[in-house]
Amino acid sequence: NAGVTQTPKFQVLKTGQSMTLQCAQDMNHNSMYWYRQDPGMGLRLIYYSASEGTTDKGEVPNGYNVSRLNKREFSLRLESAAPSQTSVYFCASSGRDRGNHEQYFGPGTRLTVT
Amino acid sequence: GEDVEQSLFLSVREGDSSVINCTYTDSSSTYLYWYKQEPGAGLQLLTYIFSNMDMKQDQRLTVLLNKKDKHLSLRIADTQTGDSAIYFCAENGKAAGNKLTFGGGTRVLVKP
Repeated sequence: NAGVTQTPKFQVLKTGQSMTLQCAQDMNHNSMYWYRQDPGMGLRLIYYSASEGTTDKGEVPNGYNVSRLNKREFSLRLESAAPSQTSVYFCASSGRDRGNHEQYFGPGTRLTVT
Repeated sequence: GEDVEQSLFLSVREGDSSVINCTYTDSSSTYLYWYKQEPGAGLQLLTYIFSNMDMKQDQRLTVLLNKKDKHLSLRIADTQTGDSAIYFCAENGKAAGNKLTFGGGTRVLVKP
């Protein structure tokens, strides 16, 4: 049981390049999330998927797109990377494992855009 | 809107107790959470409390909830160097999609 996995762990992009961050969970959770973490700003929600087949914008969706490929996988795409998107990106998933909605986090992807 | 606030930094001596505080605004929160983030890692759930409780104890961790004042605290007894990390509180509130709202995190530094 790997929990939430993310690839890649590190990435350096040039301004204008595109890339997709991959996330998968093996806990049969319905909901999945993408966050970014910047120094002094805590976690900010980019997009989320409450269930397979649905996606919704979070607090900071501009410059990103997502795909909920199936119940296990939720990817985040940067179509044209900008230096402001330099950040650590976390994927998370949640179910009702203990009657609440605790979220389980992946290890993160550290992205630098030059 | 929903808001969760925490102090930025806490320094504590090894063996002492640490208390991390959090305030939130959404009175409809049903669950409140404490997460720990070690350097270079993702967030790990430490503990959570249901909103109809005012205290929960789990080994060295004690969570206190004052629902009237919308104040949550995490006490770590006998703090160890391994407790040095960033601690986030979070609440579920009215958010759709099972979303959580996180505080900005409190960096705890444990000095030997």
